[in-house]
Amino acid sequence: DTAVSQTPKYLVTQMGNDKSIKCEQNLGHDTMYWYKQDSKKFLKIMFSYNNKELIINETVPNRFSPKSPDKAHLNLHINSLELGDSAVYFCASSQGRYLETEAFFGQGTRLTVV
Amino acid sequence: RKEVEQDPGPFNVPEGATVAFNCTYSNSASQSFFWYRQDCRKEPKLLMSVYSSGNEDGRFTAQLNRASQYISLLIRDSKLSDSATYLCVGLNRDDKIIFGKGTRLHILP
Repeated sequence: DTAVSQTPKYLVTQMGNDKSIKCEQNLGHDTMYWYKQDSKKFLKIMFSYNNKELIINETVPNRFSPKSPDKAHLNLHINSLELGDSAVYFCASSQGRYLETEAFFGQGTRLTVV
Repeated sequence: RKEVEQDPGPFNVPEGATVAFNCTYSNSASQSFFWYRQDCRKEPKLLMSVYSSGNEDGRFTAQLNRASQYISLLIRDSKLSDSATYLCVGLNRDDKIIFGKGTRLHILP
């Protein structure tokens, strides 16, 4: 069983489109995260939710909107996609609120905006 | 000073050798540190936590030096399978998680 699963694995789309990436964890963790890894492999946190409550919201364009219907799911919706949004997006979960315990990552969604 | 900083490498090391790399951090109040490993085109996975007293797991040893504000990772008897990028993780000034940019390690046969 996959602990943290995100879909799709690959996403190629045109500029201006709106797309969503879904993430689900079956570990019973309270906290879920979205990270962006750019072409230089720098992994940067975007959002963090604890029990459906937004606790970290880094400087991210308003075009990015996370949604957590329950603590096992954290989806990421992106409006008006831009070329610079191309990256690998990782979902993660941990039991702790601020990563004081191990974080488990999904396999990543490779987004290419053309 | 960057919040969490690592030498990007690559470190090219012959199989069987010992290799060590450090990660410096700027938030002196940080309490939690980790080393993650990321294989090419894969997700990061926890390698080990870093405790104040240092910790060892097989061929891997992690240490924390609070006075100089760095953590280290030592790999003994390196294997080809150790080739990966090693990410240092700590907390920034706002107690938010931040990853270093990673150190690339290539073990040479």
